[in-house]
Amino acid sequence: AQSVAQPEDQVNVAEGNPLTVKCTYSVSGNPYLFWYVQYPNRGLQFLLKYITGDNLVKGSYGFEAEFNKSQTSFHLKKPSALVSDSALYFCAVRDMATNAGKSTFGDGTTLTVKP
Amino acid sequence: GAGVSQTPSNKVTEKGKYVELRCDPISGHTALYWYRQSLGQGPEFLIYFQGTGAADDSGLPNDRFFAVRPEGSVSTLKIQRTERGDSAVYLCASSSRDSGGFSTDTQYFGPGTRLTVL
Repeated sequence: AQSVAQPEDQVNVAEGNPLTVKCTYSVSGNPYLFWYVQYPNRGLQFLLKYITGDNLVKGSYGFEAEFNKSQTSFHLKKPSALVSDSALYFCAVRDMATNAGKSTFGDGTTLTVKP
Repeated sequence: GAGVSQTPSNKVTEKGKYVELRCDPISGHTALYWYRQSLGQGPEFLIYFQGTGAADDSGLPNDRFFAVRPEGSVSTLKIQRTERGDSAVYLCASSSRDSGGFSTDTQYFGPGTRLTVL
């Protein structure tokens, strides 16, 4: 079985400050990990993914995420937040061992960036 | 290019009725996925197609739910005898696969169909 936890329902940061949105996962084998962003009344947009290789993954809009196998985490980060980053963020995992298409998503974290 | 499209964008129906939700994937994408998203939750996997066949339908909640993809492109999610608990946003996603069929691919999502069962 595979699962994802996003321990924070809400994250608030001031514009220009660094931001972190947390994600931990559980899979039987090695994980594929993804971050998506959802703006109001719009679909999920892909931000970045970890498959293998470098633990620090860079994605769209200046976001990056760090894969930590020992802590089973894949936290999303950005050095300097923008008001326009305010949205709902989802972490997702797929189990490499099963090579299945099924992704399991967390319940999301609402990021609010205040000017 | 065109992304994943879903129709209708909104569907209101009465309890007990039958509904069909349509998904047009990105051209050339062989894999197609259906998810359901309830308020305040992340997307929940329903079914996954590779080509015309359902590779994994373990997420379908019961036999009232059925999905088809007869020509390996457009897919239809069908819900019989709808219940109020079926109300949610139904999301479709598509992805490509490499020559080895390895699923490292990224899923691209449509805008969803908001289903309301009265």
